[in-house]
Amino acid sequence: ETGVTQTPRHLVMGMTNKKSLKCEQHLGHNAMYWYKQSAKKPLELMFVYSLEERVENNSVPSRFSPECPNSSHLFLHLHTLQPEDSALYLCASSRARGWGQETQYFGPGTRLLVL
Amino acid sequence: EDQVTQSPEALRLQEGESSSLNCSYTVSGLRGLFWYRQDPGKGPEFLFTLYSAGEEKEKERLKATLTKKESFLHITAPKPEDSATYLCAVQEDEIRGGATNKLIFGTGTLLAVQP
Repeated sequence: ETGVTQTPRHLVMGMTNKKSLKCEQHLGHNAMYWYKQSAKKPLELMFVYSLEERVENNSVPSRFSPECPNSSHLFLHLHTLQPEDSALYLCASSRARGWGQETQYFGPGTRLLVL
Repeated sequence: EDQVTQSPEALRLQEGESSSLNCSYTVSGLRGLFWYRQDPGKGPEFLFTLYSAGEEKEKERLKATLTKKESFLHITAPKPEDSATYLCAVQEDEIRGGATNKLIFGTGTLLAVQP
């Protein structure tokens, strides 16, 4: 595997379910990101982990819970979501600020539908 | 408030018909401006990073330029395979952006190139 991978690619869940999204990067980066992409809206940054520490939580509801066990893996735990949370969830990785070129590389995304 | 505005929202071109996409930005201190391409159902694919006014970068039929207020993505003699959504994003400098590599995205330009 190369680049940034995400699983699952598609997810349908009820409002009472608990699920997790997984992201893995094979680029040797040390910063990882979760973004939400909804139709007709710009990508919204949700969380940033730099050197395995959460450095940004962009006013995201507590029903979204990130986890970064190491610099290659990132999870987004979901529980009691709302229909308006349906969107494409994108993971990205980069070098942390001050560690060289900081371009973010994105995974293919998880298309989430909340019923 | 930091903002990124892309125009037009959608653009339809005939194959071989050159044109430009615009990205206007208002940030207090620019660290970098990024262009991405996004195909339907996929994550954004990195194209270019521009760091200072006057800088230009090229890749095949694409050329990106940067001024103090905007960036242009010029497409020369486009082909149908250039059809995609083109996203622009800006990154703030360390004073304003802090320790993260936070990107502020525009809503994108949907480009359709007809044969």
